[in-house]
Amino acid sequence: QKEVEQDPGPLSVPEGAIVSLNCTYSNSAFQYFMWYRQYSRKGPELLMYTYSSGNKEDGRFTAQVDKSSKYISLFIRDSQPSDSATYLCAMTASGGSYIPTFGRGTSLIVHP
Amino acid sequence: NAGVTQTPKFRILKIGQSMTLQCTQDMNHNYMYWYRQDPGMGLKLIYYSVGAGITDKGEVPNGYNVSRSTTEDFPLRLELAAPSQTSVYFCASSGTGNSNQPQHFGDGTRLSIL
Repeated sequence: QKEVEQDPGPLSVPEGAIVSLNCTYSNSAFQYFMWYRQYSRKGPELLMYTYSSGNKEDGRFTAQVDKSSKYISLFIRDSQPSDSATYLCAMTASGGSYIPTFGRGTSLIVHP
Repeated sequence: NAGVTQTPKFRILKIGQSMTLQCTQDMNHNYMYWYRQDPGMGLKLIYYSVGAGITDKGEVPNGYNVSRSTTEDFPLRLELAAPSQTSVYFCASSGTGNSNQPQHFGDGTRLSIL
């Protein structure tokens, strides 16, 4: 079992839909959780960053962490064609090395 | 600020050739990283550095070398290029100290070995 599991998709939705992207993990030491967005032929860019459990909202984006289930989610409301990208989850443990563990990424396509 | 800058953007190499991928950051970050990204495989860590003069191996270091003589620069060297090294290479940086900070990525170098 990989430390971080993420469905590669592609996930295809119509414009305006609510999108749910998810990752599961096995390492209970993970405390910091990140979502990166990667457009085609570009580097990943940080989208959301949360510490421990709970929700964090930023505009149309909401990141949710459920440490008891070892499950994190990224919700995108009112999805737009410009949201079409690959979304990577990443997580790190507190203390020691700060090297993040990445998921494989989920490809999202929002069609008009 | 430019952030993380990688050069070149594209390169084609012949088997057995060598080259250096350049990476520089202007955020005064201590930590720098090199990843490769293959289709559908996510990011795999090649080498990382926690400061000038300090480097360490990641998950897939074979066939690569790095150096970190300054805070800003972290070049990645391929000595004897092999087809298995065809990939997209990303450099990243993070942190201004010991706090846990997310990574900032460059836009990558697309490398083909023929």
